[in-house]
Amino acid sequence: RKEVEQDPGPFNVPEGATVAFNCTYSNSASQSFFWYRQDCRKEPKLLMSVYSSGNEDGRFTAQLNRASQYISLLIRDSKLSDSATYLCVVNNLGTYKYIFGTGTRLKVLA
Amino acid sequence: NAGVTQTPKFQVLKTGQSMTLQCAQDMNHEYMSWYRQDPGMGLRLIHYSVGAGITDQGEVPNGYNVSRSTTEDFPLRLLSAAPSQTSVYFCASSARRDTQYFGPGTRLTVL
Repeated sequence: RKEVEQDPGPFNVPEGATVAFNCTYSNSASQSFFWYRQDCRKEPKLLMSVYSSGNEDGRFTAQLNRASQYISLLIRDSKLSDSATYLCVVNNLGTYKYIFGTGTRLKVLA
Repeated sequence: NAGVTQTPKFQVLKTGQSMTLQCAQDMNHEYMSWYRQDPGMGLRLIHYSVGAGITDQGEVPNGYNVSRSTTEDFPLRLLSAAPSQTSVYFCASSARRDTQYFGPGTRLTVL
């Protein structure tokens, strides 16, 4: 079993739709959580960190569920420019290693 | 502020050749790492460093060497290139266990 798992998609949604991605992690010692966005043939860029209390940035909301060991990303009012691959990233307590999921592809359709 | 820079952007090698991928950051970050990204595999950690003079292996270290003589630079050396090393290579840096910042990547093809 992979340490960080994501549904690869693609998720094809119309403009204006709400879409949610989940990411599960297997190590209960995981300490820090992030969502990154990666455009085709570009480097990953931080979208948001994920805090225990949940956090929101405009149309994006991230949640952490430690009991079930998953994090989620909700995108409201999808834009064409949201089309990208979304990577879930986990950092485990006591290590400097970041573990990446394989990513979920989102296509927002006009 | 350049952030994380990588050179070259593209490289084609023949099997058995050696080369060094360069990575530099100007943010005074302690932590630097090298990843490779292959279709369907996500980013896999090759080597990482938690400070000058300190390096450690990641998930897929075979065939690669690193050194960290300064805080700014973290080069990745391919000792004897193989077709299985055809990939996109990303260097990243961060302060402690904070956000990682990535370079633009090097696209390597080994024939």
